[in-house]
Amino acid sequence: DAKTTQPPSMDCAEGRAANLPCNHSTISGNEYVYWYRQIHSQGPQYIIHGLKNNETNEMASLIITEDRKSSTLILPHATLRDTAVYYCIVRVAGFGNEKLTFGTGTRLTIIP
Amino acid sequence: DTAVSQTPKYLVTQMGNDKSIKCEQNLGHDTMYWYKQDSKKFLKIMFSYNNKELIINETVPNRFSPKSPDKAHLNLHINSLELGDSAVYFCASSQGGLIINEQFFGPGTRLTVL
Repeated sequence: DAKTTQPPSMDCAEGRAANLPCNHSTISGNEYVYWYRQIHSQGPQYIIHGLKNNETNEMASLIITEDRKSSTLILPHATLRDTAVYYCIVRVAGFGNEKLTFGTGTRLTIIP
Repeated sequence: DTAVSQTPKYLVTQMGNDKSIKCEQNLGHDTMYWYKQDSKKFLKIMFSYNNKELIINETVPNRFSPKSPDKAHLNLHINSLELGDSAVYFCASSQGGLIINEQFFGPGTRLTVL
């Protein structure tokens, strides 16, 4: 079972920052937080991951609270192409733990 | 260049038939996966192979038999298809053992069992 809780849906205006929350209150010390998204029935796409420090890449930023019980994915300037279902996943990294356990995710709709 | 490809994209068949879905990755990864996404959009792992060896089998019925002829290919054969097998099947690959373990997904195969 997924160990994360996300709001089922969110809207965001085009050009604004989209902030997607995720609760993972039972996360263990060796579990990473991963974010994937799925655009309209395509295969899921990796976005970003982190352990305890904030992370940023060309797609997004990941903010993890100090107690690691929650995190926020930030899409800094949302475009219409960012409309998708976003999945927050926690798992232990390393060989034999590669499976991704997807929850229900957040359906993000970018509004023109 | 397509990183992870699947064939066919669509598959419509009758109950009781046997069918196969093929998956190929050209990323040089050593780990491949099959996921199933049902009509309610729940995405769940079925199998994982590392260097042609099965490492994850998520209590999938034995009508489903993955086969990995080499580490670039992971095919899924399904015997005696049932209505409940209708779903979208995604193949994925990654370089196993790394922390990032970014998984690259194929475009999916939509299976419809009538």
